Amino acid sequence: ETGVTQTPRHLVMGMTNKKSLKCEQHLGHNAMYWYKQSAKKPLELMFVYNFKEQTENNSVPSRFSPECPNSSHLFLHLHTLQPEDSALYLCASSQDIAGELFFGEGSRLTVL
Amino acid sequence: GESVGLHLPTLSVQEGDNSIINCAYSNSASDYFIWYKQESGKGPQFIIDIRSNMDKRQGQRVTVLLNKTVKHLSLQIAATQPGDSAVYFCAEASMEYGNKLVFGAGTILRVKS
Repeated sequence: ETGVTQTPRHLVMGMTNKKSLKCEQHLGHNAMYWYKQSAKKPLELMFVYNFKEQTENNSVPSRFSPECPNSSHLFLHLHTLQPEDSALYLCASSQDIAGELFFGEGSRLTVL
Repeated sequence: GESVGLHLPTLSVQEGDNSIINCAYSNSASDYFIWYKQESGKGPQFIIDIRSNMDKRQGQRVTVLLNKTVKHLSLQIAATQPGDSAVYFCAEASMEYGNKLVFGAGTILRVKS
């Protein structure tokens, strides 16, 4: 138990669907992150939020839309995805922007 | 396990032996390094970290060595156990890039009983 909870753990969706991934951290951290982990690449940073404000969008396509209503919750809204978006999406948090990341167990996304 | 296993270097060791996992980092300005362990079906977990003003740091059964001259990081695991089987990632950070962690591709460690 890392203190970072992701739901759902598994998601299968069609290219025309709209779905959301949810992340909640119980660590009192100020920064939250979305990472993508796919078969052929190292962990890719997607978005960073610090004190609920987005501080980084790492050239992520607009079909991925993050939302951070407060420092404990982070969402990733998905719409009109492509099969190549199938991957493990990992949420992480840290006390501040620098330093150790605490990861959730990930949401395994399959786009048909 | 993750399909990333098909594309990653693999280290196979006998239970009880010591393991050494290597990582070459790219940015000479990096001043903070972390090793993470990712077991099948789980997210990465912190193992140990080291700052650039040190060349060695020890934890419980693990040691991280940093050689800044050749930009090389290694993780040594003593008396490797079956539970150590996982993918191991190194990550680097620098003030130049806002202290955000940049991850390596990972190494699979398989422990044979």
